[in-house]
Amino acid sequence: AQSVAQPEDQVNVAEGNPLTVKCTYSVSGNPYLFWYVQYPNRGLQFLLKYITGDNLVKGSYGFEAEFNKSQTSFHLKKPSALVSDSALYFCAVRDRRDSNYQLIWGAGTKLIIKP
Amino acid sequence: DTAVSQTPKYLVTQMGNDKSIKCEQNLGHDTMYWYKQDSKKFLKIMFSYNNKELIINETVPNRFSPKSPDKAHLNLHINSLELGDSAVYFCASSQGQGGTSNQPQHFGDGTRLSIL
Repeated sequence: AQSVAQPEDQVNVAEGNPLTVKCTYSVSGNPYLFWYVQYPNRGLQFLLKYITGDNLVKGSYGFEAEFNKSQTSFHLKKPSALVSDSALYFCAVRDRRDSNYQLIWGAGTKLIIKP
Repeated sequence: DTAVSQTPKYLVTQMGNDKSIKCEQNLGHDTMYWYKQDSKKFLKIMFSYNNKELIINETVPNRFSPKSPDKAHLNLHINSLELGDSAVYFCASSQGQGGTSNQPQHFGDGTRLSIL
Protein backbone atom coordinates (compact mmCIF):
# COMPACT_ATOMS: atom_id res chain seq x y z
CA ALA A 1 0.00 0.00 0.00
CA GLN A 2 1.15 3.49 -0.76
CA SER A 3 2.04 5.55 2.28
CA VAL A 4 3.85 8.61 3.59
CA ALA A 5 5.63 8.59 6.93
CA GLN A 6 6.58 11.55 9.04
CA PRO A 7 8.40 9.75 11.84
CA GLU A 8 8.44 12.64 14.30
CA ASP A 9 5.22 13.92 15.85
CA GLN A 10 7.09 16.98 17.10
CA VAL A 11 10.40 18.67 16.40
CA ASN A 12 11.89 21.24 18.78
CA VAL A 13 14.55 23.65 17.54
CA ALA A 14 16.14 26.75 19.02
CA GLU A 15 15.72 29.94 17.04
CA GLY A 16 18.64 30.48 14.69
CA ASN A 17 19.52 26.80 14.47
CA PRO A 18 18.99 24.70 11.35
CA LEU A 19 15.87 22.59 11.22
CA THR A 20 14.91 19.35 9.49
CA VAL A 21 11.46 17.80 9.27
CA LYS A 22 11.60 14.27 7.94
CA CYS A 23 9.43 12.56 5.35
CA THR A 24 9.74 9.14 3.74
CA TYR A 25 7.35 7.57 1.29
CA SER A 26 6.34 4.29 -0.19
CA VAL A 27 4.95 5.04 -3.65
CA SER A 28 5.94 3.23 -6.80
CA GLY A 29 7.49 4.97 -9.73
CA ASN A 30 8.57 8.60 -9.66
CA PRO A 31 6.08 10.47 -7.52
CA TYR A 32 5.44 14.16 -7.19
CA LEU A 33 6.38 15.35 -3.69
CA PHE A 34 4.97 18.29 -1.74
CA TRP A 35 5.33 20.09 1.56
CA TYR A 36 2.54 22.14 3.14
CA VAL A 37 2.40 24.20 6.33
CA GLN A 38 -0.60 24.78 8.57
CA TYR A 39 -0.72 27.63 11.05
CA PRO A 40 -3.25 27.53 13.92
CA ASN A 41 -6.85 27.93 12.77
CA ARG A 42 -5.81 28.22 9.12
CA GLY A 43 -5.87 26.04 6.07
CA LEU A 44 -2.82 24.32 4.64
CA GLN A 45 -0.45 26.45 2.59
CA PHE A 46 1.78 25.09 -0.16
CA LEU A 47 5.52 25.44 0.55
CA LEU A 48 7.32 23.61 -2.23
CA LYS A 49 7.25 20.64 -4.56
CA TYR A 50 9.57 18.26 -6.35
CA ILE A 51 8.70 17.30 -9.89
CA THR A 52 11.97 16.42 -11.59
CA GLY A 53 15.53 17.66 -11.99
CA ASP A 54 17.68 19.10 -9.19
CA ASN A 55 17.22 17.13 -5.98
CA LEU A 56 17.29 20.30 -3.87
CA VAL A 57 14.10 22.29 -4.18
CA LYS A 58 13.65 25.79 -2.79
CA GLY A 59 10.32 27.10 -1.63
CA SER A 60 8.52 29.77 0.37
CA TYR A 61 9.77 31.40 3.59
CA GLY A 62 13.35 30.20 3.08
CA PHE A 63 12.46 26.51 3.21
CA GLU A 64 14.03 23.89 1.00
CA ALA A 65 13.69 20.16 0.63
CA GLU A 66 16.02 17.45 -0.56
CA PHE A 67 14.76 14.56 -2.64
CA ASN A 68 16.64 11.31 -2.16
CA LYS A 69 15.43 8.63 -4.52
CA SER A 70 17.45 5.76 -3.05
CA GLN A 71 16.18 6.48 0.45
CA THR A 72 12.69 7.48 -0.78
CA SER A 73 12.89 10.58 1.37
CA PHE A 74 11.96 14.21 0.96
CA HIS A 75 13.14 16.02 4.10
CA LEU A 76 12.22 19.66 4.69
CA LYS A 77 15.04 21.95 5.80
CA LYS A 78 15.80 25.51 6.74
CA PRO A 79 19.27 26.86 7.58
CA SER A 80 18.14 29.20 10.36
CA ALA A 81 14.82 28.73 12.16
CA LEU A 82 12.51 31.57 13.14
CA VAL A 83 9.95 31.55 15.94
CA SER A 84 7.35 32.29 13.27
CA ASP A 85 8.16 28.94 11.62
CA SER A 86 6.35 27.21 14.46
CA ALA A 87 3.47 25.36 12.81
CA LEU A 88 2.26 21.96 11.63
CA TYR A 89 4.02 20.61 8.55
CA PHE A 90 2.61 18.02 6.16
CA CYS A 91 4.40 15.99 3.54
CA ALA A 92 2.29 14.72 0.62
CA VAL A 93 3.01 12.50 -2.32
CA ARG A 94 1.23 11.84 -5.57
CA ASP A 95 1.66 8.83 -7.80
CA ARG A 96 2.18 10.22 -11.31
CA ARG A 97 0.09 7.38 -12.68
CA ASP A 98 -2.93 8.39 -10.60
CA SER A 99 -5.30 10.08 -13.00
CA ASN A 100 -7.41 11.45 -10.15
CA TYR A 101 -4.65 13.58 -8.63
CA GLN A 102 -5.13 12.07 -5.21
CA LEU A 103 -2.51 13.10 -2.68
CA ILE A 104 -1.25 10.69 -0.04
CA TRP A 105 -0.69 12.67 3.14
CA GLY A 106 1.66 12.19 6.05
CA ALA A 107 0.31 12.54 9.58
CA GLY A 108 1.99 15.90 10.11
CA THR A 109 4.89 17.10 12.27
CA LYS A 110 4.52 19.88 14.78
CA LEU A 111 7.51 22.20 14.61
CA ILE A 112 8.25 24.29 17.68
CA ILE A 113 10.90 26.99 17.48
CA LYS A 114 11.98 28.29 20.87
CA PRO A 115 13.41 31.80 21.30
CA ASP B 1 -9.70 38.61 -2.71
CA THR B 2 -9.75 35.34 -0.76
CA ALA B 3 -8.80 32.49 -3.07
CA VAL B 4 -10.76 29.64 -1.45
CA SER B 5 -13.48 30.69 0.93
CA GLN B 6 -15.67 28.51 3.14
CA THR B 7 -18.77 29.38 5.08
CA PRO B 8 -19.48 29.13 7.89
CA LYS B 9 -16.17 29.24 9.76
CA TYR B 10 -17.76 27.71 12.86
CA LEU B 11 -20.77 25.42 13.02
CA VAL B 12 -22.19 24.21 16.31
CA THR B 13 -25.28 22.03 16.10
CA GLN B 14 -27.06 19.14 17.71
CA MET B 15 -26.90 15.47 16.84
CA GLY B 16 -29.41 14.48 14.20
CA ASN B 17 -29.54 17.84 12.45
CA ASP B 18 -28.79 18.45 8.77
CA LYS B 19 -26.26 21.11 7.81
CA SER B 20 -24.41 22.43 4.78
CA ILE B 21 -20.98 23.94 4.27
CA LYS B 22 -20.31 26.11 1.25
CA CYS B 23 -17.07 26.54 -0.65
CA GLU B 24 -16.13 28.90 -3.44
CA GLN B 25 -12.84 29.46 -5.25
CA ASN B 26 -11.94 32.42 -7.45
CA LEU B 27 -8.72 30.95 -8.83
CA GLY B 28 -10.23 29.57 -11.99
CA HIS B 29 -9.29 26.04 -10.95
CA ASP B 30 -11.19 23.10 -12.37
CA THR B 31 -10.72 20.62 -9.52
CA MET B 32 -12.10 20.96 -5.99
CA TYR B 33 -11.83 18.78 -2.89
CA TRP B 34 -13.30 18.20 0.55
CA TYR B 35 -11.04 17.02 3.36
CA LYS B 36 -11.76 16.10 6.97
CA GLN B 37 -9.16 16.87 9.63
CA ASP B 38 -9.72 15.08 12.92
CA SER B 39 -8.68 16.07 16.41
CA LYS B 40 -5.25 14.50 15.88
CA LYS B 41 -4.79 16.71 12.80
CA PHE B 42 -4.86 13.73 10.45
CA LEU B 43 -6.05 14.80 7.00
CA LYS B 44 -8.41 12.57 5.02
CA ILE B 45 -9.72 13.15 1.50
CA MET B 46 -13.48 12.80 1.23
CA PHE B 47 -14.44 13.91 -2.27
CA SER B 48 -12.98 15.48 -5.37
CA TYR B 49 -14.73 17.06 -8.34
CA ASN B 50 -13.27 17.99 -11.70
CA ASN B 51 -15.39 20.30 -13.85
CA LYS B 52 -18.45 19.39 -11.76
CA GLU B 53 -17.82 15.67 -12.17
CA LEU B 54 -17.13 13.46 -9.15
CA ILE B 55 -13.70 11.83 -9.49
CA ILE B 56 -12.80 10.79 -5.94
CA ASN B 57 -15.34 9.38 -3.54
CA GLU B 58 -13.59 7.83 -0.59
CA THR B 59 -15.25 5.64 1.98
CA VAL B 60 -17.51 8.22 3.50
CA PRO B 61 -20.96 7.62 4.98
CA ASN B 62 -23.68 8.39 2.49
CA ARG B 63 -24.98 11.00 4.95
CA PHE B 64 -22.33 13.19 3.31
CA SER B 65 -23.32 14.47 -0.11
CA PRO B 66 -21.22 16.89 -2.15
CA LYS B 67 -22.79 19.15 -4.74
CA SER B 68 -21.00 21.14 -7.41
CA PRO B 69 -23.32 23.63 -9.15
CA ASP B 70 -20.40 24.94 -11.21
CA LYS B 71 -16.65 24.47 -11.21
CA ALA B 72 -16.11 27.39 -8.81
CA HIS B 73 -18.32 25.93 -6.10
CA LEU B 74 -18.33 22.70 -4.14
CA ASN B 75 -20.76 22.43 -1.26
CA LEU B 76 -21.01 19.70 1.35
CA HIS B 77 -24.32 18.65 2.83
CA ILE B 78 -24.41 16.42 5.89
CA ASN B 79 -27.57 14.63 7.02
CA SER B 80 -28.30 13.26 10.47
CA LEU B 81 -25.17 14.58 12.09
CA GLU B 82 -23.37 12.30 14.56
CA LEU B 83 -20.91 13.00 17.34
CA GLY B 84 -18.10 11.50 15.25
CA ASP B 85 -18.64 14.10 12.57
CA SER B 86 -17.05 16.72 14.82
CA ALA B 87 -13.93 17.84 12.96
CA VAL B 88 -12.54 20.58 10.80
CA TYR B 89 -13.62 20.34 7.17
CA PHE B 90 -11.38 21.87 4.52
CA CYS B 91 -12.20 22.75 0.97
CA ALA B 92 -9.35 22.94 -1.54
CA SER B 93 -8.87 23.52 -5.24
CA SER B 94 -6.20 22.92 -7.85
CA GLN B 95 -5.65 23.41 -11.52
CA GLY B 96 -5.89 20.36 -13.69
CA GLN B 97 -6.24 16.72 -12.96
CA GLY B 98 -5.00 13.65 -14.64
CA GLY B 99 -1.65 12.03 -15.19
CA THR B 100 0.56 15.06 -15.66
CA SER B 101 -0.97 17.45 -13.15
CA ASN B 102 1.49 18.47 -10.47
CA GLN B 103 -0.14 21.70 -9.38
CA PRO B 104 -0.48 22.34 -5.64
CA GLN B 105 -3.79 22.44 -3.87
CA HIS B 106 -5.04 25.70 -2.37
CA PHE B 107 -6.97 25.38 0.88
CA GLY B 108 -9.68 27.37 2.56
CA ASP B 109 -9.39 28.15 6.27
CA GLY B 110 -11.74 25.38 7.30
CA THR B 111 -15.14 24.95 8.91
CA ARG B 112 -15.02 23.83 12.53
CA LEU B 113 -17.99 21.55 13.09
CA SER B 114 -18.96 20.71 16.64
CA ILE B 115 -21.78 18.30 17.38
CA LEU B 116 -23.45 18.61 20.77
